[in-house]
Amino acid sequence: AQTVTQSQPEMSVQEAETVTLSCTYDTSESDYYLFWYKQPPSRQMILVIRQEAYKQQNATENRFSVNFQKAAKSFSLKISDSQLGDAAMYFCATRSEKLVFGKGTKLTVNP
Amino acid sequence: EADIYQTPRYLVIGTGKKITLECSQTMGHDKMYWYQQDPGMELHLIHYSYGVNSTEKGDLSSESTVSRIRTEHFPLTLESARPSHTSQYLCASSEGGTGGYTFGSGTRLTVV
Repeated sequence: AQTVTQSQPEMSVQEAETVTLSCTYDTSESDYYLFWYKQPPSRQMILVIRQEAYKQQNATENRFSVNFQKAAKSFSLKISDSQLGDAAMYFCATRSEKLVFGKGTKLTVNP
Repeated sequence: EADIYQTPRYLVIGTGKKITLECSQTMGHDKMYWYQQDPGMELHLIHYSYGVNSTEKGDLSSESTVSRIRTEHFPLTLESARPSHTSQYLCASSEGGTGGYTFGSGTRLTVV
C-alpha cells in the first residue's frame, strides 16, 4: 500500500518570497511517479509538477521545483517568487496503479 | 480542447431525491475516477473504472453507484440523497498507468 504524508496543514509566505512544502511517502513499488497538484479555492485541481522516481534529476516547471530524495522518500515542492495566484491547497501524490493523495497543505500568500 | 466536464457545478437537493452527477471527458482516456472531498479538503477515492463496462469501488465506502457504458462518460448516481452525502465530488481521468490525472471542476452537492 502507498501512503503520502503532508505534515504542514497550513503555510504562509510573503509575496515574492520562497516557500517549501513538505511531503513524504511510502511505497513498496519500484516503479512509481510523484506529483504536486494545486487546487485554488472553488476552482479546478491542476497538475503543478511531476517526477519520475527513476530519474535522479529534480523536476522544474518555471517557478516550481522539487527536491526529490528517493532514499528518504521525500518529495518537497519549492515555490520561488511567490505570487498571490499561488494561494491554494497543494496536494502531494504518488502513483503506481492508482493515485494516492496526501491530506494537503493550505498555502496563503500575503501581499 | 480536450478536457473533462462535470455538471452540475452546484446542486442543492432535498433528502430522499435521486440524483446523478455527470462526468464526461473528451481525451479518450480509458481510466476514470470519482473522488469525494470532505470539508477538511482530504480526497477519498470512491469509484474507478478502467474501461467500458468496468467499475470498481474505491477506498472509501460510498452509497453511490457508477456506470461506464461509453468511454467518455462516467456518471455517479445517488438513489436516495441524505445530508451525510453533502460534499464536493471530483471526477478525474488518466490515459495510462503512470501519468497524472486530469480533474473536472467538481460538483458541490448539498442535501437538505
